[in-house]
Amino acid sequence: QVQLVQSGAEVKKPGSSVKVSCKASGGTFSNYAISWVRQAPGQAVEWMGRIIPILEITNYAQKFQGRVTINADKLTGTAYMELSSLRSEDTAVYYCAREGQLLLFDAFDMWGQGTMVTVSS
Amino acid sequence: QLVLTQSPSASASLGASVKLTCTLTSGHSNYAIAWHQRQPEKGPRYLMKLDTDGSHIKGDGIPDRFSGSSSGAERFLTISSLQSEDEADYYCQTWGAGIQVFGGGTKLTVL
Repeated sequence: QVQLVQSGAEVKKPGSSVKVSCKASGGTFSNYAISWVRQAPGQAVEWMGRIIPILEITNYAQKFQGRVTINADKLTGTAYMELSSLRSEDTAVYYCAREGQLLLFDAFDMWGQGTMVTVSS
Repeated sequence: QLVLTQSPSASASLGASVKLTCTLTSGHSNYAIAWHQRQPEKGPRYLMKLDTDGSHIKGDGIPDRFSGSSSGAERFLTISSLQSEDEADYYCQTWGAGIQVFGGGTKLTVL
């Protein structure tokens, strides 16, 4: 059974970048889109962007445009989310999630376990 | 603007039923949504995709105690025979052209 397994917790300095990985363990996500969201303490869930790995098509939320990069390695079945110019407000748990279909936006039907990113000087 | 509204909290007794509500903004009442559960110290879990007519597709292993229904712009998640492990945050999600949107979440306390 496919699971999305994310990389471990990160502590970063303000102004630096963080790259979080999301591997499809036990299968592949070749026929799905992968989205990234985050949730800061006490805040709502924010969608950051998505990728269709087999087509290498990305969409980004306006709020994160220019600061986030999402890509994927089709061979290893791993998606990546890189966020740059980190500030304290980026401290959050970051999740990858599989969407239920390939092209159109859809419900998330599988989630990664989450990666805590702490931005602190 | 596509927005989902949820009550911040709800509570119900062990063994009872509870109905959580997710409301779509007017003009978007024909949108499908999904319900997700996040138990303490765990990652989110997909519960179901819920359409405007109340039909829903549940995730693997989701018990029959969890069901969904719809009325106009409101989408409901009903949990019957509440168990202690149902104490969690519940989020609704919807999507449009180029966007994914989440409700603020409802924290369910099982008394």
